[in-house]
Amino acid sequence: NAGVTQTPKFRVLKTGQSMTLLCAQDMNHEYMYWYRQDPGMGLRLIHYSVGEGTTAKGEVPDGYNVSRLKKQNFLLGLESAAPSQTSVYFCASSSGPSPQHFGDGTRLSIL
Amino acid sequence: QQPVQSPQAVILREGEDAVINCSSSKALYSVHWYRQKHGEAPVFLMILLKGGEQKGHDKISASFNEKKQQSSLYLTASQLSYSGTYFCGIHSGNTPLVFGKGTRLSVIA
Repeated sequence: NAGVTQTPKFRVLKTGQSMTLLCAQDMNHEYMYWYRQDPGMGLRLIHYSVGEGTTAKGEVPDGYNVSRLKKQNFLLGLESAAPSQTSVYFCASSSGPSPQHFGDGTRLSIL
Repeated sequence: QQPVQSPQAVILREGEDAVINCSSSKALYSVHWYRQKHGEAPVFLMILLKGGEQKGHDKISASFNEKKQQSSLYLTASQLSYSGTYFCGIHSGNTPLVFGKGTRLSVIA
């Protein structure tokens, strides 16, 4: 059972570069989420989606964009990476507002 | 509004008990509890859907006091495997889950 798969697991970027993080789930969940986790800050919601073709802003959306073209995939994009975006990024999915299943995370460093 | 968790960190010896509190300034519709071990993803523990509800999972249980707008997680007879960071997440109305900053629990032999 794959569950929620995030790629890549690690990445180092230079300031100003762009990249896309991919999240894929095989549980047929409607809801998908992107969080960032920084030391002492807990999990903060970046963007989320309640179904294919829909997206909405979370608590800390600035500097990020998302797309949900297919139900099973949720992409997180950084158009022009900044050092402040160095973090661990988690994707999660759920069947409605119910328990969330998390991926293993992507560790992103921006120099 | 992010819920407030207390304490921020706690160290226990095996067999001791602990309580982690989660409080909100807004009315709560449901409370989720997750545990995250170092370097791993958060894992769901339990959800409480209504005031007065109590749930248990092995020797870990939780309560939900709707009037006080808070939930508590109880860890009984702690084991080394209980070590990790515990997060509460709250639903207040038709909004996404909002997580607290976490409580770091260390269980030592």
